[in-house]
Amino acid sequence: GAVVSQHPSWVICKSGTSVKIECRSLDFQATTMFWYRQFPKQSLMLMATSNEGSKATYEQGVEKDKFLINHASLTLSTLTVTSAHPEDSSFYICSAQWSAGYTFGSGTRLTVV
Amino acid sequence: EDQVTQSPEALRLQEGESSSLNCSYTVSGLRGLFWYRQDPGKGPEFLFTLYSAGEEKEKERLKATLTKKESFLHITAPKPEDSATYLCAVQAVGTQGGSEKLDFGKGMKLTVNP
Repeated sequence: GAVVSQHPSWVICKSGTSVKIECRSLDFQATTMFWYRQFPKQSLMLMATSNEGSKATYEQGVEKDKFLINHASLTLSTLTVTSAHPEDSSFYICSAQWSAGYTFGSGTRLTVV
Repeated sequence: EDQVTQSPEALRLQEGESSSLNCSYTVSGLRGLFWYRQDPGKGPEFLFTLYSAGEEKEKERLKATLTKKESFLHITAPKPEDSATYLCAVQAVGTQGGSEKLDFGKGMKLTVNP
């Protein structure tokens, strides 16, 4: 149980375009979802916390206008990287909290060219 | 400020050579300590949650233990398929803002040679 499905697994986009990443909780309702960013050989850095039906809480230094998070339902949260630039290239991972802890999506490798 | 430190950063073992990974933490109050395994290009895979000092949990060749200051992940007779990055994370009591976020260590890359 407690599976989070994340799509796409990888995406390449042109600089200046926007990219949407989806995370769905398949067998439970995720009241809270977390979005992380991971650079090569580094650990996970929390970007924001989203609660269903309310605005996301962003960590210090994360641009809320660049990384738009929507958590419109108990099973779906999305992260949109707007006006992407090469420095936004990274590995993005979502996580949802459930009764036994935290489960993670499989990650999305974003490359901006 | 809450801190999570993992050591060593990298470890190479021969197949069958047992060892331990360390995760030391500093939090105002521990709600839970989590161990995850992460393979390259994948999201973290849940291994264990520990809640109180003295608690131990086992899964196949892995055993996690917890004290008031640190946690150990013991790997017994590892196999090449145990090669991965192992992440330690803590959830603190009364996290600011109410979100029960996890604070991660930098991870430990384990390589098990056949």
